[in-house]
Amino acid sequence: RKEVEQDPGPFNVPEGATVAFNCTYSNSASQSFFWYRQDCRKEPKLLMSVYSSGNEDGRFTAQLNRASQYISLLIRDSKLSDSATYLCVVNGMSGGSYIPTFGRGTSLIVHP
Amino acid sequence: GAGVSQSPSNKVTEKGKDVELRCDPISGHTALYWYRQSLGQGLEFLIYFQGNSAPDKSGLPSDRFSAERTGGSVSTLTIQRTQQEDSAVYLCASSPRQGRGEQYFGPGTRLTVT
Repeated sequence: RKEVEQDPGPFNVPEGATVAFNCTYSNSASQSFFWYRQDCRKEPKLLMSVYSSGNEDGRFTAQLNRASQYISLLIRDSKLSDSATYLCVVNGMSGGSYIPTFGRGTSLIVHP
Repeated sequence: GAGVSQSPSNKVTEKGKDVELRCDPISGHTALYWYRQSLGQGLEFLIYFQGNSAPDKSGLPSDRFSAERTGGSVSTLTIQRTQQEDSAVYLCASSPRQGRGEQYFGPGTRLTVT
């Protein structure tokens, strides 16, 4: 089983739609969680941290479910500019260090 | 302020040559990571530096790969006797917090081994 799993997609949605991605992780001792966005041939950029209580940043909402070991990202009112690959990142203890493990990403395509 | 910078942005080298990739992290960030990303693949963790502690090298794929971080700031990743399978984008990231924090990535070095 992979440590961090994401549905690769692509999710193909029209402008204005609401779309949600999930990411599951296997290390129950994981401590911190993030969503990153990566545009084609660019570096990943931090989108938002994920807190246990859930958090919102504009059109984006992130949630963490420790019991079921998954995090989610909800995008409301999708824009063309939201088209990108969304990476989830889980920081868990490995050999005495907290090492971030990246999912392989979920591709989102927003069309007119 | 200035973000993470990496050099060179592109490197083409012949199989068997050594290459050095450089990363300048954000000033004051204590944690520094190296990853590589092959075309269409996810990020593969290589090595992690935290302050003056011994680096976590658990992700290095072979003994041809090494990295150092001088003065707690600039880092170089060295690949000896490059192979074609080393071709990838090598990304560096820094973080203000030990181990658990958000990361800020540089633009990467695209390495092509011919």
